[in-house]
This record gives sequence, structure tokens and C-alpha cells, in this order.
Amino acid sequence: EPEVTQTPSHQVTQMGQEVILRCVPISNHLYFYWYRQILGQKVEFLVSFYNNEISEKSEIFDDQFSVERPDGSNFTLKIRSTKLEDSAMYFCASNRGPGNTIYFGEGSWLTVV
Amino acid sequence: EDQVTQSPEALRLQEGESSSLNCSYTVSGLRGLFWYRQDPGKGPEFLFTLYSAGEEKEKERLKATLTKKESFLHITAPKPEDSATYLCAVQSTGGGNKLTFGTGTQLKVEL
Repeated sequence: EPEVTQTPSHQVTQMGQEVILRCVPISNHLYFYWYRQILGQKVEFLVSFYNNEISEKSEIFDDQFSVERPDGSNFTLKIRSTKLEDSAMYFCASNRGPGNTIYFGEGSWLTVV
Repeated sequence: EDQVTQSPEALRLQEGESSSLNCSYTVSGLRGLFWYRQDPGKGPEFLFTLYSAGEEKEKERLKATLTKKESFLHITAPKPEDSATYLCAVQSTGGGNKLTFGTGTQLKVEL
């Protein structure tokens, strides 16, 4: 069964460093997403991406965040200058379109120290 | 703004003891309501999508139902392997494609 894959599974970084989280969405999906979950809290929407551009973003997704689809299979989330409060599990997700099931990857656990 | 409230926050059941989880929602217009299962340290695993009031879906020991204001996830004769956090999320017609999640119900099924 097709699945969303994410790398790395866990990353520890120094505050102020740049981090890139990588994802391979399901191959025939057109919409890609990043969500995050701070430990013990709810899953929160960050950004959606369609047709090579951001289609929607939340208040959390400020100028330190960016997304990119560098080739036909990868989808990345970059955090330019990490802060302690960026420590969270980051989930990549994808689906075919509005109303269709959104499938999530296993997550990348980011720890900022 | 879309809102999702799940109750109870935590539920402890004996194996075989059936129960229901509640998800109350407020949206401008519902495009879909989604149930996911989340194991510790893992991503949400899709269970069901419900689109309109009165709709029901079943999978093994789980059954999801939907009204205009809430959804229930019924668990019949649960087993220890059903222990997980169950997440409810909504997608609204006015909210693009994003999902708005509740905080989840942490279910523990004991022998």
C-alpha cells in the first residue's frame, strides 16, 4: 500500500541552525501538507501546497518556514533559524484533492537545544 | 473558525467492554469529518471519513456515526491492541483543504 515517507525520523539541532525535513508524498497525490504536533498537544496545520505553490498557510507558518518541491517526488519543509519552541513532531501528508482522505507520514521528531 | 472538541480526554476499558468516543464540531460548512488512530510517536493512521449527517461506517470493532453537530466512534468488544489515541478532524468548505484536529481521546484497553 502506498505511503507517505519522511526523513529523518529524529533530528537534534542547535538553536539558530537551519533544518530541512524531507517527505515523499504518495505518488498520484496532488496536494501536500505539513502539520506539527508539540508533545502532548493537538496536531496543528502549518501549510498546504498545490500546483507548485502554497495554497494555504496558518499563523504558525511565518517567515522562518518555507516549503519546496525540488523535484517530482520530494517535498521539503525548511526552518531557517530554529527556536526552542520549534521542538515538535512534524508530519508530512498528502491527498488527491478537496474532501479526499489525507494520509500522514510517520513524522520527523525535531528537538531544538 | 472551525472547532473540534473530543471527549473524554482519556478512557480506560476492560477487554470486551464496549464504549463510545465523542467528537463535537463547529464548522461553517462540513466537507468531511475524519477519524484517525495515533500510536505513541507515530503519525495519524486513517480510519474513516464521514461526509453527511446520518452516515455510518464500520471497520472491525469500530463504527463511526455522524450528526450535524457531532460524531461518535463506537468501539465494540475492544481488545488491548485497540489501545491508542483516537483523533477526530474536520475539513470545512470555507477552510480550504486543511484539517482541524481535536485533542484526541487516549484509550487504554486492559485484560
